[in-house]
Amino acid sequence: SSELTQDPAVSVALGQTVRITCRGDSLRSYYASWYQQKPGQAPILVLYDKNNRPSGIPDRFSGSISGNTASLTITGAQAEDEADYYCNSRDSSGYQRVFGGGTKLTVL
Amino acid sequence: QAQLVESGGGVVQPGRSLRLSCADSGFTFSSYAMHWVRQAPGKGLEWVALTSFDGGQTYYADSVKGRFTISRDNSKNTLYLQMRSLKAEDTAVYYCARDQGLPTTAALDYWGPGTLVTVSS
Repeated sequence: SSELTQDPAVSVALGQTVRITCRGDSLRSYYASWYQQKPGQAPILVLYDKNNRPSGIPDRFSGSISGNTASLTITGAQAEDEADYYCNSRDSSGYQRVFGGGTKLTVL
Repeated sequence: QAQLVESGGGVVQPGRSLRLSCADSGFTFSSYAMHWVRQAPGKGLEWVALTSFDGGQTYYADSVKGRFTISRDNSKNTLYLQMRSLKAEDTAVYYCARDQGLPTTAALDYWGPGTLVTVSS
């Protein structure tokens, strides 16, 4: 199975831009999806496919891919964006799924 | 609006079995692949299992293969996870989630609130 690697923690000043990255070989074949999880809550899908947001997700969330690294960018981070963020993708077989270890985002 | 609600969690002794259920509404359940994802206390998300829309194909994480069985009853709009030979490391919140269905991603677009399974003697 494949692995996805994320930085454990990232911080950003209120209103500034932050990038959260996810690295893995499977990202050369499949797009990453991104999830936001706040304490005590289920994850919420915030980005999927090349750079698509589900209904209700603010447009300050955007995604990109370069080689084997996917990025989630929050432009103008808000206090309510403080959460854990997870990426996921398919593994090399295309059937199993894999999650990154998660990134804790702190908004200062 | 899709809604997923898990049930069946609780405290179980090591080596015993437990079956989780996920009742689904608000969408055509039989058209979507479905997943189980778990999260140990204070840890990250771990994908557990996947069933195709008709239950004909199933896939498992190596950590649960041979012990867990994912299944579905499309007539009841319900997803199941039969867990056997439970270990302490299976202690987690278990979420069911809907596969968005795009072939280029692994996106899970709707999640239940989760049910807690505690494996302890």
